[in-house]
Amino acid sequence: KAGVTQTPRYLIKTRGQQVTLSCSPISGHRSVSWYQQTPGQGLQFLFEYFSETQRNKGNFPGRFSGRQFSNSRSEMNVSTLELGDSALYLCASSLVPDYYEQYFGPGTRLTVT
Amino acid sequence: AQSVTQPDIHITVSEGASLELRCNYSYGATPYLFWYVQSPGQGLQLLLKYFSGDTLVQGIKGFEAEFKRSQSSFNLRKPSVHWSDAAEYFCAVGARTTSGTYKYIFGTGTRLKVLA
Repeated sequence: KAGVTQTPRYLIKTRGQQVTLSCSPISGHRSVSWYQQTPGQGLQFLFEYFSETQRNKGNFPGRFSGRQFSNSRSEMNVSTLELGDSALYLCASSLVPDYYEQYFGPGTRLTVT
Repeated sequence: AQSVTQPDIHITVSEGASLELRCNYSYGATPYLFWYVQSPGQGLQLLLKYFSGDTLVQGIKGFEAEFKRSQSSFNLRKPSVHWSDAAEYFCAVGARTTSGTYKYIFGTGTRLKVLA
């Protein structure tokens, strides 16, 4: 069974631009969560989606948004990029919400210049 | 507030030596506990998990961890480290939020270096 896939793997953007990252969960998994990983802040929860609805949200500004499609694939969007948004963005999927095991994708490395 | 502490930022061990990575948590109830490993440029791979029952849990790649309620700890161990174990290790707690949903809280990670 294929794992969680994320595209693109690497991205370089300029301040003020916007970016969209994509995540395809493991087949059959219906819950998708997003995390931001930086050397200074570690792994921080962004949001969780299930059945095309956001169930949980972390403490990030409204520039960070996401959505989930009917096939469980998810996208996250960051508008008006700032230098501090440079990070590894990880997607994790689980069978259903509140299911204890999450499986992570390889991440998208975003660099904002 | 719920939190996870990994007191060791870096650990260096020789190949073949034993390893113990520390993890302490703060949570009002018995949490669900996890250890993940992350190789450079990669996502997180689940090593093992504790939900309930036997407090000594076995994972992949020869790792084990022991849940000690009295110490609020969930330390990761391996009897003999291999060079391929060099990576960053994250402890995580799964905890219920006040709204009834469930979230993961990660520690800041321990970077393991293995000397040949």
